[in-house]
Order: sequence, then C-alpha cells, then structure tokens
Amino acid sequence: GEDVEQSLFLSVREGDSSVINCTYTDSSSTYLYWYKQEPGAGLQLLTYIFSNMDMKQDQRLTVLLNKKDKHLSLRIADTQTGDSAIYFCAERGKGRRALTFGSGTRLQVQP
Amino acid sequence: GAGVSQSPSNKVTEKGKDVELRCDPISGHTALYWYRQSLGQGLEFLIYFQGNSAPDKSGLPSDRFSAERTGGSVSTLTIQRTQQEDSAVYLCASSLEGSSRLPNTGELFFGEGSRLTVL
Repeated sequence: GEDVEQSLFLSVREGDSSVINCTYTDSSSTYLYWYKQEPGAGLQLLTYIFSNMDMKQDQRLTVLLNKKDKHLSLRIADTQTGDSAIYFCAERGKGRRALTFGSGTRLQVQP
Repeated sequence: GAGVSQSPSNKVTEKGKDVELRCDPISGHTALYWYRQSLGQGLEFLIYFQGNSAPDKSGLPSDRFSAERTGGSVSTLTIQRTQQEDSAVYLCASSLEGSSRLPNTGELFFGEGSRLTVL
C-alpha cells in the first residue's frame, strides 16, 4: 500500500532554518500536505501543494516537491521556539479520500 | 461549534471492556474521518464517512472496531472487548469534501483527540 516516510527528530537553534524531509511511494498523489501538531492539540494544516507544482512559498514556509523522486520538504526560515512541534507529511492519492500520513518529525528549537 | 469536538478527552478502561468515543464535526462538513495515533507512530486511517455514501471501513484493524454516523453529523467509534494494544489517541477530522463552492484541496480539520488507555 501507500507509504510516507519521515525522519523522527530534528533539532535546530533559534534563528536558523529548519528543513523537514518526507518521501512517499504513491505516484498518483494529487495533493501533499504539511500538518503541525503542538503538545496536547490536534493537527493543524500548515500548507499544502498540488502535485503539478514544484514549489510553494508562504511567509516563512517553503515547500519543495520533487515528483520524480517522490520527495517533499518543508523549510521554515528563522525558526522560533514556538515552531517546536511535530510536523506530519501527508498525501492524497488520486481517487482516494483518506490522507496517508507519515510518522511525524519532532522539531526541537533550542534558544 | 467552531471546531471539531471530541469526547471524552481521556478514557481509562480495563481490558475486555467496551468503549465509545464521540466526534462532533464542524457544522456543514460532509466528510468525517477517524484516525488512530499510537505512541511514536504516524496516523493510521480507520474509517471515512461521506454524506449518505457507504463508509470506507478499510482501515479498521479488527471486527472489534465499528463506527457510525447518525444524521450525517455526529459520529461514534466503538471498540469492543478492548485490548492493551488499542491504547492510543483517537483523532477525528472533518472536511468540506463534496462542496462545489470551494476548491477541493482535501484539507482536514482535526479535533484534539480522545486518549484511550487500556489497563
């Protein structure tokens, strides 16, 4: 079945850029998403990208999609302590309604 | 309400007991999903409801799990004869899928989850 893989942990210093990577297997993916989960809270959509796009920028967030390699990344510029959370990559395959999520990357921002 | 509401937020039960978890989606959202988040794991899809269509139950891990959605709104996830491996956070999400007024980006709006602990 479809699979989404992420590294489990990333630690950066405040003010640095963070890059969280994700790979997926479904070549029919139509939309790819980044969700953020803060402690004790549900997931919130950060940003998404349609599969015919290579890049999407939204303020401090940059999403890069390499469809050939099935690789998605999220770059957070000027990372702040408030960015500490778990970041989930997710994809939706063509004809499927349920999103397939990765296991999440825990981002720790050190002051 | 303004967001997806789930109850209870925490549930501790003994092995073998049945539990019911409730989800109240965002008003007007036609699609409703249940996911399970186990410690250190990603989100595991359980079941999907869309309008009056038959639900997609392909993610339910065993026949001890069932869910229903009454009146196209509130949903209840039932776990019978709970086992310790059922311990997890059960997340509900809803979306505007099927709306012709908005682009179908598939954004899911999540509740805060129900944390189930089976002793």
